[in-house]
Amino acid sequence: GESVGLHLPTLSVQEGDNSIINCAYSNSASDYFIWYKQESGKGPQFIIDIRSNMDKRQGQRVTVLLNKTVKHLSLQIAATQPGDSAVYFCADRGGYQKVTFGIGTKLQVIP
Amino acid sequence: DTAVSQTPKYLVTQMGNDKSIKCEQNLGHDTMYWYKQDSKKFLKIMFSYNNKELIINETVPNRFSPKSPDKAHLNLHINSLELGDSAVYFCASSQDESGGPADFGPGTRLTVL
Repeated sequence: GESVGLHLPTLSVQEGDNSIINCAYSNSASDYFIWYKQESGKGPQFIIDIRSNMDKRQGQRVTVLLNKTVKHLSLQIAATQPGDSAVYFCADRGGYQKVTFGIGTKLQVIP
Repeated sequence: DTAVSQTPKYLVTQMGNDKSIKCEQNLGHDTMYWYKQDSKKFLKIMFSYNNKELIINETVPNRFSPKSPDKAHLNLHINSLELGDSAVYFCASSQDESGGPADFGPGTRLTVL
């Protein structure tokens, strides 16, 4: 049904600054994590992933950090650009290979 | 070349009607999914198929019936549409059922009046 009571968090960042998007997950058995970017009117798009045996992974302008102790994941975007404006989702893979999406964070880049 | 395509992009219909959404992927993936995204952008998996076989059915009303004629296609038929079915429906595919990254289609915005 509807995500009643949940609100889409929004992060506003000045163009050129770094962005940090946070995500908490609840399943301590989750072994794999993915970040997706969803631009307006489009489907989610894969950005970067990380396995539970790592605590950091870097891509082009993006870094994902994983803290399994507190079940927390973050996505860092360096030198944020207007094209980075989107909703960002984390997803974790738990038992039976089932992937669960977080509630998403809307990133607004201020020119 | 569109990797995951779905039709129609927009669907406006009356309560009680039956409608279908079609999905095709040309990536050679074994696994396909249907997701529902509500007005607050919350994404929830509905179904997952691997090589035409149902592997995940997430407490979706039986008014929703997925059909996979082959592993490149996963269609969604909805009977007796209700107001609460209004949402954006995304088809997706992934290489296999291991839960790896998925490629998503552009979405179908369903509005039930």
